[in-house]
Amino acid sequence: KQEVTQIPAALSVPEGENLVLNCSFTDSAIYNLQWFRQDPGKGLTSLLLIQSSQREQTSGRLNASLDKSSGRSTLYIAASQPGDSATYLCAVRPRYGNKLVFGAGTILRVKS
Amino acid sequence: KAGVTQTPRYLIKTRGQQVTLSCSPISGHRSVSWYQQTPGQGLQFLFEYFSETQRNKGNFPGRFSGRQFSNSRSEMNVSTLELGDSALYLCASSLIRGGHNEQFFGPGTRLTVL
Repeated sequence: KQEVTQIPAALSVPEGENLVLNCSFTDSAIYNLQWFRQDPGKGLTSLLLIQSSQREQTSGRLNASLDKSSGRSTLYIAASQPGDSATYLCAVRPRYGNKLVFGAGTILRVKS
Repeated sequence: KAGVTQTPRYLIKTRGQQVTLSCSPISGHRSVSWYQQTPGQGLQFLFEYFSETQRNKGNFPGRFSGRQFSNSRSEMNVSTLELGDSALYLCASSLIRGGHNEQFFGPGTRLTVL
């Protein structure tokens, strides 16, 4: 059974700092991995999608890497801003079946 | 292009009642998935519909059911509501063509069971 773990559970940083969020998964037979952002009481916003054959994806200040063999992904946020404060969720899609298995998320607070 | 829409956004029911939630996917998307989010269990997959057929199902009791219409809109139904069904219910749509399977989520329906 696929399990996804995110570390740390919560993170508080000053504005401008570069930071790394970690995601690990137990079964390397994945189709893709997706990072999401969730603001309190809201739905999920897709940030980055990495296919299993890819190593990384970039969008603006965000960079996500994938090491499928070791079951790990990282989300790098450069020059953090208070508007980045949210919960960040990592989800993997198993090789078969269009469903996502989510981690518990990292709650990020960027202080101004 | 309009995003995924869900109605209603908020719902209050009492134990034993039933509820129907609706989801309209992004135009052209044929796959619709439903997830339940609670503080204790996090985000859990309920089921996925594609071309009006349920393709995948999570580990939820039979009180949770769904369907998809020919225009890809989907509904989920929860019968005999329990207090533990209070949650944010999220719908996601994806294209499922040529390897494009990124999932896009709606704003969710907040269900409170009293």
